[in-house]
Amino acid sequence: DAKTTQPTSMDCAEGRAANLPCNHSTISGNEYVYWYRQIHSQGPQYIIHGLKNNETNEMASLIITEDRKSSTLILPHATLRDTAVYYCIAPADYGGSQGNLIFGKGTKLSVKP
Amino acid sequence: DSGVTQTPKHLITATGQRVTLRCSPRSGDLSVYWYQQSLDQGLQFLIQYYNGEERAKGNILERFSAQQFPDLHSELNLSSLELGDSALYFCASSGTGGDNEKLFFGSGTQLSVL
Repeated sequence: DAKTTQPTSMDCAEGRAANLPCNHSTISGNEYVYWYRQIHSQGPQYIIHGLKNNETNEMASLIITEDRKSSTLILPHATLRDTAVYYCIAPADYGGSQGNLIFGKGTKLSVKP
Repeated sequence: DSGVTQTPKHLITATGQRVTLRCSPRSGDLSVYWYQQSLDQGLQFLIQYYNGEERAKGNILERFSAQQFPDLHSELNLSSLELGDSALYFCASSGTGGDNEKLFFGSGTQLSVL
């Protein structure tokens, strides 16, 4: 897996956009960037993934830099329920299996009223 | 609700014992993954099965084993339990286990070894 670096923690005001950065400078051309989150001891939840282009779904937007060395997860209107640990993962191509996701420490996002 | 069911939710046992954790994947998903989460190690990938066959192996101890049955449910067997095996055990599933697939996680089994 490409090594990813994320800030340990971040705060965000409720209703504001939360921008979570991730550095993955060693990512290879065929590696996707995945984002998951884990709300206190629950199972991790898939958020979004992308390869080159920016992506958006009902949960978040993913902005990937042109050189693909970093990305930003954007929660457009953070709520208290978005308080969680957010993991940025760039798994290598294991011949068709992306299950060997390496979850680092992630970023603990605290959304405050 | 992710569609992945894990039982039991909580398990308390003693050192030296053996336990079995069960996972039912989302309907139609062929791949099942097992992860261990302890306070000091974070989420650790243990093993993956695809349609009954072992596909990938992570840091799984020899005391641990898993299997996936013809109906696609999976079991993780933990034997000769030690205090350090106390952790949250998550199961996840995906469709074909390819590179471009998202994993859906169950709510986990909290194992406490006393």
